[in-house]
Amino acid sequence: DQQVKQNSPSLSVQEGRISILNCDYTNSMFDYFLWYKKYPAEGPTFLISISSIKDKNEDGRFTVFLNKSAKHLSLHIVPSQPGDSAVYFCAACTSGTYKYIFGTGTRLKVLA
Amino acid sequence: GAGVSQSPSNKVTEKGKDVELRCDPISGHTALYWYRQSLGQGLEFLIYFQGNSAPDKSGLPSDRFSAERTGGSVSTLTIQRTQQEDSAVYLCASRPTGGALGEQYFGPGTRLTVT
Repeated sequence: DQQVKQNSPSLSVQEGRISILNCDYTNSMFDYFLWYKKYPAEGPTFLISISSIKDKNEDGRFTVFLNKSAKHLSLHIVPSQPGDSAVYFCAACTSGTYKYIFGTGTRLKVLA
Repeated sequence: GAGVSQSPSNKVTEKGKDVELRCDPISGHTALYWYRQSLGQGLEFLIYFQGNSAPDKSGLPSDRFSAERTGGSVSTLTIQRTQQEDSAVYLCASRPTGGALGEQYFGPGTRLTVT
C-alpha cells in the first residue's frame, strides 16, 4: 500500500521554463511534507518542506503547494536550470513521529 | 564538516552469504535511520535509532535483517543469507536532537548486488 505516490517517473523541461512535480498521499494523518533532491551516487538532500497549516511555502526558485482536501502537493521550480536535473522525492510524516514515508521519485531532466 | 559516510560504497555478494553495511553518522546526531531503495521504488524505511531508546525495527523486511548502533554513533546493518531480492541501495541518514523534521542528512548509500 503506497501511502505516498509520485505517478510521473520522469519529466523533461526546457531550461528557463517551469517544472512541476506532483505527489499524492492517502494518509490523512500526515501533516508535514518534504521534498528531497537526489543526484546520482549521492544521498538525497533536503530541499523544501511544508506544514499542513500552510498551503504554500516558497524558497527562492522552489515553491511547494499543498492541497489538503485533494491530498496533493506539488513542487514548482521556476526558472528551471540544467543543474536541477535530478531525482525528486516527496515524503510525508506525522509531526511528533519520526517515520517518513517516501514516494518513488520523479526524474527531472532540464534541457539546455 | 564531515557528513554521513557509508561503507562499502558497492558490495557484490553471492546468494546465501552474509553482509555487513556500515554507517558513520554526523558527530553528535542522536537519531539514525536506515532506508532501502530497490530499483524503481521509493525509499523504504527499515529501522530507526534514537539515543538510548529501543530502536524501531518495524521496517525490517525479515529476520535475516538486523542492525546495531554502538555507543550511540556508528551503525551496522547486517543481512544474513542474502537473497537476490535484497539487491538495492541501502541509505543511512542521521538527524540532530531537536532537529527540524526535514533535517535528515543522508549518506551516499551502499549499492548491494546479490548474484
